[in-house]
Amino acid sequence: DGGITQSPKYLFRKEGQNVTLSCEQNLNHDAMYWYRQDPGQGLRLIYYSQIVNDFQKGDIAEGYSVSREKKESFPLTVTSAQKNPTAFYLCASSPTTPSAHNSPLHFGNGTRLTVT
Amino acid sequence: AQSVAQPEDQVNVAEGNPLTVKCTYSVSGNPYLFWYVQYPNRGLQFLLKYITGDNLVKGSYGFEAEFNKSQTSFHLKKPSALVSDSALYFCAVRDMSSLEGSSASKIIFGSGTRLSIRP
Repeated sequence: DGGITQSPKYLFRKEGQNVTLSCEQNLNHDAMYWYRQDPGQGLRLIYYSQIVNDFQKGDIAEGYSVSREKKESFPLTVTSAQKNPTAFYLCASSPTTPSAHNSPLHFGNGTRLTVT
Repeated sequence: AQSVAQPEDQVNVAEGNPLTVKCTYSVSGNPYLFWYVQYPNRGLQFLLKYITGDNLVKGSYGFEAEFNKSQTSFHLKKPSALVSDSALYFCAVRDMSSLEGSSASKIIFGSGTRLSIRP
């Protein structure tokens, strides 16, 4: 079955350490997204990528970095510069065909990161 | 800037009663609107979308949504609630202003409404 896989499901790190969250999709989608979810704040966009080797900052990119070396993969690194990294992180994808304006996002099941 | 608002943090409904989860939006141009559902510790699942055409949109699990252009609303509805409908619901709008020549535009989410159905 096609879908998006995020790993690990739970991640624990000490403050000051960088950590990388994995996101892989086999939907053949060009666009991929990273969202952060905090209680009562909905989803906020961190980074998105329209095509391999290209990505753009979202609304809360500070303290995060991404790469898009392969179409299937869009890993997110939470750096030590991110002041409040504890959150639920969601990866999503969508096609970028001309009719894609009406295409919903497909989401992975998230990674819950706890930093102490 | 395009935005979406969900005015209720929580909605409580008795099983078998109709339910409504409210959403209002602000866009320039034609709206592309979506509803998603999230169960605990899971990703979001697509329920339905409005692009153009009929104001009443039917989606998954018996849900529907009513688009009202004059009130800039896109409320989610279900005629008879089930306990299994209890979850977090998000309204979203596609930000067409972020296109910049590409169709990979951003989707902006509301803050979410927690729906609780009591037996």
